[in-house]
Amino acid sequence: EPEVTQTPSHQVTQMGQEVILRCVPISNHLYFYWYRQILGQKVEFLVSFYNNEISEKSEIFDDQFSVERPDGSNFTLKIRSTKLEDSAMYFCASSEEGSGGTDTQYFGPGTRLTVL
Amino acid sequence: AQSVAQPEDQVNVAEGNPLTVKCTYSVSGNPYLFWYVQYPNRGLQFLLKYITGDNLVKGSYCFEAEFNKSQTSFHLKKPSALVSDSALYFCAVRDLGTSGGSYIPTFGRGTSLIVHP
Repeated sequence: EPEVTQTPSHQVTQMGQEVILRCVPISNHLYFYWYRQILGQKVEFLVSFYNNEISEKSEIFDDQFSVERPDGSNFTLKIRSTKLEDSAMYFCASSEEGSGGTDTQYFGPGTRLTVL
Repeated sequence: AQSVAQPEDQVNVAEGNPLTVKCTYSVSGNPYLFWYVQYPNRGLQFLLKYITGDNLVKGSYCFEAEFNKSQTSFHLKKPSALVSDSALYFCAVRDLGTSGGSYIPTFGRGTSLIVHP
């Protein structure tokens, strides 16, 4: 069964450093998403992406964040200058159609980001 | 605005007993409801969803959920729990009736299900 993959599984970085989290969505899916979950808290939406542009983003997704689909398979989340409060589990998800319909999002295993 | 609540941080049940994981929601229009499960070191796995139709929805691993519009609930159930069901369960809702609003689901905080042998 096809699945969303994410690398690395765990990333440790110093405050102020840039990090790039990588995701490979399911191959025939067209919509991509990033979520994060701070330890013990809700899963929070960050951004959705379709047709090489951001379709929706939350207030969490400020200028420090960016997303890119550099090739036909990868979908990346970049944090330019990490802060302690960016420490969280970051989940990538993809769906065949948009959430405007009734499509199901499929999630990757997550990347645990620790900012020291 | 859409929101979802999972009132229990943890549910404990003995293997073989029925289990219920609670979820209540709030939407302006009609709800589109999901349950996901997260096993250790894994991503969220889709279990089931409700859009319209029968109030009892059947999903993966013999789980089912009952949509109750009057109580605005979508509790997850299983007739006989297995130790392997022990995991974190997330309820999510999207408001299908929101005009111009967000198309992104809102997730609950998750409920840890522990099934004892």
